Amino acid sequence: AQRVTQPEKLLSVFKGAPVELKCNYSYSGSPELFWYVQYSRQRLQLLLRHISRESIKGFTADLNKGETSFHLKKPFAQEEDSAMYYCALSFLAGNMLTFGGGTRLMVKP
Amino acid sequence: DTEVTQTPKHLVMGMTNKKSLKCEQHMGHRAMYWYKQKAKKPPELMFVYSYEKLSINESVPSRFSPECPNSSLLNLHLHALQPEDSALYLCASSQGRLAVRNTGELFFGEGSRLTVL
Repeated sequence: AQRVTQPEKLLSVFKGAPVELKCNYSYSGSPELFWYVQYSRQRLQLLLRHISRESIKGFTADLNKGETSFHLKKPFAQEEDSAMYYCALSFLAGNMLTFGGGTRLMVKP
Repeated sequence: DTEVTQTPKHLVMGMTNKKSLKCEQHMGHRAMYWYKQKAKKPPELMFVYSYEKLSINESVPSRFSPECPNSSLLNLHLHALQPEDSALYLCASSQGRLAVRNTGELFFGEGSRLTVL
């Protein structure tokens, strides 16, 4: 069965520090992985997809199939990055999206 | 219009009431979803409609009854709910598995916060 694990419920860093939000998955097929973000009082929205291999708001994530990981990284955290971050795995041609438990990122001034 | 709209934003109901949550999108998406989110927990999938047909039911109790009247609308009918059903109910949509450029991205509504007394 598919499973997404985010080991940290809370990650607190100072502004300008590097940040890494960890995500590990288990899935027997070829996964599609996503990071979704929920800012305070806003709806859940896509941050980035592993297929597009792009950088959004300075964040990047690389799919490591050997380690079954999809960690989210940013070299210099900003206060506006404070939010709830969910790693998610998609299968069945995108019709099923399973979320990890989420990590709350707090960036302190 | 690039939003998923959910109504009502808040709903309080008794255990004997019948109510409905509504969701609408005008992005031409052909897949629509209901998720349930409890406080400090991730969203949990309840139902998936693909091309107006129910394709996935994640063993949801029958007191929750989804309906997809057309490709733009998704309802969730509620009857004889329990207090533990109190949660934020999220609707989402995506392009659909047969779309030529299906990115797999889900677009979420703001949710309907349900309280069952």
